[in-house]
Amino acid sequence: DAGITQSPRHKVTETGTPVTLRCHQTENHRYMYWYRQDPGHGLRLIHYSYGVKDTDKGEVSDGYSVSRSKTEDFLLTLESATSSQTSVYFCATHGQDRGEGNEQFFGPGTRLTVL
Amino acid sequence: AQTVTQSQPEMSVQEAETVTLSCTYDTSENNYYLFWYKQPPSRQMILVIRQEAYKQQNATENRFSVNFQKAAKSFSLKISDSQLGDTAMYFCAFTFNFGNEKLTFGTGTRLTIIP
Repeated sequence: DAGITQSPRHKVTETGTPVTLRCHQTENHRYMYWYRQDPGHGLRLIHYSYGVKDTDKGEVSDGYSVSRSKTEDFLLTLESATSSQTSVYFCATHGQDRGEGNEQFFGPGTRLTVL
Repeated sequence: AQTVTQSQPEMSVQEAETVTLSCTYDTSENNYYLFWYKQPPSRQMILVIRQEAYKQQNATENRFSVNFQKAAKSFSLKISDSQLGDTAMYFCAFTFNFGNEKLTFGTGTRLTIIP
């Protein structure tokens, strides 16, 4: 298994507070992704990164920002958490530059509850 | 934008029987990949099987096989000799072969194997 860790694994916070989730990988993979999982929606892409300091928006990016200052870390920030951001957040990575349909490796997920 | 549809929210089957999970997708592109991911109660996302669109032969991984119908844009998963450990959420997913490989997921099918 790819070495992907997420921290924290669980978090409860209050509406309006900032929250940062961290994804750390030891595989030197170029691409990193943040997804959220909600009942009835499957997993949806929030943001992704295709290299250090290179990021782009996904399908549900409103209210989220990301940063990647080094290859192994990809941070997801909720500047002012809302109850609609209560979800399970997954980080994923893959290393190939060009297609090949290679597998994305997923972290264990972070359950975030916004009260 | 591409879409992935899983029309069976829940399914159940007796242990040792065969079950088929359905997935349809919509895209105007010709070069893409399809995946089935398994998510057991542990929440970990596990790749079950992948299919490259340019390959006519259906992918097989032990007890898991797919029926890929490109013209019909259908990608079903067959699980043979089902086992209790197959109990999980199953997600169908799609990605283009463009390099950044953002995944688009279906809403999932919750499969229960009955002893």
